[in-house]
Amino acid sequence: QLVLTQSPSASASLGASVKLTCTLSSGHSSYAIAWHQQQPEKGPRYLMKLDSDGSHSKGDGIPDRFSGSSSGTERYLIISSLQSEDEADYYCQTWGTGIVVFGGGTKLTVL
Amino acid sequence: EVQVLESGGGLVQPGGSLRLSCAASGFTFSNYAMNWVRQAPGKGLDWVSGISDNGRSAYYADSVKGRFSISRDNSKNTLYLEMNSLRAEDTAVYYCAKDYYGSGINYFNYWGQGTLVTVSS
Repeated sequence: QLVLTQSPSASASLGASVKLTCTLSSGHSSYAIAWHQQQPEKGPRYLMKLDSDGSHSKGDGIPDRFSGSSSGTERYLIISSLQSEDEADYYCQTWGTGIVVFGGGTKLTVL
Repeated sequence: EVQVLESGGGLVQPGGSLRLSCAASGFTFSNYAMNWVRQAPGKGLDWVSGISDNGRSAYYADSVKGRFSISRDNSKNTLYLEMNSLRAEDTAVYYCAKDYYGSGINYFNYWGQGTLVTVSS
């Protein structure tokens, strides 16, 4: 069964870097994912598609501070030089034939 | 500029029906699959349904199969979600999301702002 697992919360200081993790279920290490950001009271925003080899393609207007990497069944979203507007919920998403799966989301707090 | 704008949400009684619409602009609508994703109050994102670019293939989450129907009118650049036999657990903000590709369902590269559906007596 295709499942994505995310930690419910993370925190980091203003100006620092943070690495959020999305873990694919066993047997799905070749799957790509997408990362989405949802700021408070807003609709989600597409950040990037992240392949199993770590290559990624970002959405329109996404700053260079956002990047991604992969290792086995883990997919990472790295945000550097954290700003206050990065405080948001971050969701990973994957897909198969006729199905889409979201992770439970990680709430990022910028201290 | 790519835009998708949902409408049609509101308060409906359990067992009732509602039709959501999503008006698209800024891209060639008929070239891309489209999807509906919902978010219950205080909860995460939950994929509901997707439809291919030509409307011939539709996909549903198990939780809505047999109750919801997705469709599109490429001449009007509009996506629809017909919701029947609504339950309290269908209460959520419903988002329209543009797929990256035309066939199948993949990942979503543009989202709307959502429309709230409340199922309550």
